[in-house]
Amino acid sequence: AQKVTQAQTEISVVEKEDVTLDCVYETRDTTYYLFWYKQPPSGELVFLIRRNSFDEQNEISGRYSWNFQKSTSSFNFTITASQVVDSAVYFCATLSGGYNKLIFGAGTRLAVHP
Amino acid sequence: DSGVTQTPKHLITATGQRVTLRCSPRSGDLSVYWYQQSLDQGLQFLIQYYNGEERAKGNILERFSAQQFPDLHSELNLSSLELGDSALYFCASSVAGFGGETQYFGPGTRLLVL
Repeated sequence: AQKVTQAQTEISVVEKEDVTLDCVYETRDTTYYLFWYKQPPSGELVFLIRRNSFDEQNEISGRYSWNFQKSTSSFNFTITASQVVDSAVYFCATLSGGYNKLIFGAGTRLAVHP
Repeated sequence: DSGVTQTPKHLITATGQRVTLRCSPRSGDLSVYWYQQSLDQGLQFLIQYYNGEERAKGNILERFSAQQFPDLHSELNLSSLELGDSALYFCASSVAGFGGETQYFGPGTRLLVL
């Protein structure tokens, strides 16, 4: 069965600090997909990034970067120079190639203080 | 704004009652998903519809049912409500509903059962 573990329940940083959110996944599938979603205080779920199991190329998008490592089954997310607006709950999720349901981790609550 | 709409935003009702949550997918998306977010269970997949047909089922209670109409909007019906049904219910949509697609989430309906 698939599983996603986000060991960090809460992280608190001061503005402009870099912060990394950890995600470890478990799956027996050779084809799978990994996602990060953000849930700000307003409650909606905002899609951030999608990666498939054949693409280990890491990505940088503005202040966001993602580190996908199959060897350690990790898909970590880094925010550089954090801002107060980054305060939210961040969810890592996985989806196997044959199924359509997202399996979410428990989420990491990030608080960025001025 | 993901393009997925959900109504109502908030719903307060009593135990034993029945409610209907409504979702309109993004323009062009054929697949609709329902998820429940509660404090004790986290984010859990309930059910998926593709072009009017049920495609996948998750941890959906027998008291809950859903359908997708010809215009592709979907409704989630919750009956014989219990206190434990209080949660945030999300609808998501994707283009075709095959494995690997990004699911875009609506703003959610917050249900409070008193």
